[in-house]
Amino acid sequence: EDQVTQSPEALRLQEGESSSLNCSYTVSGLRGLFWYRQDPGKGPEFLFTLYSAGEEKEKERLKATLTKKESFLHITAPKPEDSATYLCAVHNAGNMLTFGGGTRLMVKP
Amino acid sequence: EPEVTQTPSHQVTQMGQEVILRCVPISNHLYFYWYRQILGQKVEFLVSFYNNEISEKSEIFDDQFSVERPDGSNFTLKIRSTKLEDSAMYFCASLTGQETQYFGPGTRLLVL
Repeated sequence: EDQVTQSPEALRLQEGESSSLNCSYTVSGLRGLFWYRQDPGKGPEFLFTLYSAGEEKEKERLKATLTKKESFLHITAPKPEDSATYLCAVHNAGNMLTFGGGTRLMVKP
Repeated sequence: EPEVTQTPSHQVTQMGQEVILRCVPISNHLYFYWYRQILGQKVEFLVSFYNNEISEKSEIFDDQFSVERPDGSNFTLKIRSTKLEDSAMYFCASLTGQETQYFGPGTRLLVL
């Protein structure tokens, strides 16, 4: 059974304080690892897809990396508007996404 | 930019009543999905739909649930007899050729 575990569950940062979120996974036949951002009461908003170990993707202050067992979402010099829950999900040989529990990020000015 | 839309945004219903949640996927997408998220819990897969039939479903998707694509644009989730534990956010998603699922804003369902 596919499993996705995210840590930490919650993270408080000061504006400008860089950090990383972790996503550990076990999956049969990884077809892709996805990062989404979710604001309260909203749907997941797509950020990145990673397909193979060693791959990296960047978007503004966010950078996602992938190894064979985990993925990191690095946040450089975060701003208050980066506050949200960040979700990791894996797409396996089947036709569905398995999500982790998310990391709730709070960035204080 | 094209996006997935869902209606209604909120639905309150009595236990045992039928509800239909509606979604308009992105127009050139071919795969459609329903997920749910109980308050404070993970997003969970319910069902995937392709070529007018269910391609995969989870254990949650029992006989009380059904999906339909009644026309060329809408994709619906029906819950025949709602239970208290069906209270959740329900998200529709559709899939691009690059295997990225784009999610709608969700319908918050409250069963009393």
